[in-house]
Order: sequence, then structure tokens, then C-alpha cells
Amino acid sequence: GQQVMQIPQYQHVQEGEDFTTYCNSSTTLSNIQWYKQRPGGHPVFLIQLVKSGEVKKQKRLTFQFGEAKKNSSLHITATQTTDVGTYFCAGRRAGSYQLTFGKGTKLSVIP
Amino acid sequence: IAGITQAPTSQILAAGRRMTLRCTQDMRHNAMYWYRQDLGLGLRLIHYSNTAGTTGKGEVPDGYSVSRANTDDFPLTLASAVPSQTSVYFCASSESEGRIGTGELFFGEGSRLTVL
Repeated sequence: GQQVMQIPQYQHVQEGEDFTTYCNSSTTLSNIQWYKQRPGGHPVFLIQLVKSGEVKKQKRLTFQFGEAKKNSSLHITATQTTDVGTYFCAGRRAGSYQLTFGKGTKLSVIP
Repeated sequence: IAGITQAPTSQILAAGRRMTLRCTQDMRHNAMYWYRQDLGLGLRLIHYSNTAGTTGKGEVPDGYSVSRANTDDFPLTLASAVPSQTSVYFCASSESEGRIGTGELFFGEGSRLTVL
């Protein structure tokens, strides 16, 4: 079945440093979504990427979808303590109803 | 406030007992989902429903059943709970076009279940 790998599993950064998490799918995706889960909370949708090579920005967050639509990344510039949480990618194959989540990257920000 | 409501928030259950986790949404979304979240394993899909009256199996359906009698409700039942079903369960919903969901997932607050 479809697998979505996400690395790293954990990342500790000093406040102000940049952070990147990577997502790779075993199959070509029709779209990929990113979610953030604060400690003790529930996942909250951040963004969806659909087009090959697509790049979207949300303030300090930059999301990319690979040309082959099999990988994606989330980059946070100049992390802040409010960025703490676990970031999940979730991919959907063309023609499939299921959204497969990566295992997430847990980000800790040291003030 | 519109959204997804899950109940109970937390439950401790003896092995072998039957348990139903409730999920209700008021956004009139066609698609609903149940995920379990375990440390180091991320979110895994248990069952889904793309419209009232239909359900489908996800990645880890064994030991669980669902029903979708109407648009708003999507209960998850553990017929005979086992300790490996100790987890945090999230219900979610999304808009869908035809058979394929294209929108974001809206998650409930989660139900923490402990099976002893």
C-alpha cells in the first residue's frame, strides 16, 4: 500500500534558527496536505499543494511540492516558540479516497 | 461554534468490554474519518465514509466497526476491546466532490481510550 515517510522524527532548534521537514511518498500523489498539532491538541490544516513544483508561502512557512509529485517539504524561517508542535504531511493518491499521513516531525524550540 | 464533537474525551475500559466513541459534525460534510494516533506511528486511518450510508476500511480496521446512518454522525465501535486498542482516537470530516475528497480535514478534539 501507499507509504508516506517523513523525516526527521524530532528536531530541536534554538529560537531564530530555521527548520525543515521532508516528506516522501512511495507513489505519485494527486495532492499533499500539511497539518500542525500542538502538544495535547488536534491536527489543524495548514495548506494543500496540488500542482507539480508548486511553492506556497504563509508568512515564515514555505511549502514545496516536488516535480514528480512524490515529495514535499515544509520550511520555517526564524523559528519562534509558537512554532512548537508536530508537523504532519498527508498525501492522497490519484483515484483514492484515503489520505495517508506521515509519522510527523516533532519540533521543539529552545528560547 | 461549528465543528466536530467527540465523546467521551477520555475513557478507561476493561478488556473485553464493548465501547462506542461518538462523533458528530455540524458542517454538513459528506466525508468522515476515524484515525488513531499512537506515539511514533502518527495518524492511521481506521475507517472512513464518503457519504451517508456508505463506509470503507482504512489502514487498520480490525477490531473496529463504524456506521453512517446520517450525514452528521459517525460512531466508532470496539466490539470487544483489547489493550492494543489503547490510543487517542480522532474523528475528522471534509468536503468532497463525487467520490474523491479534495478538501482539508477538520479534526475533533480526540478521545483518549485506555484498555486495561
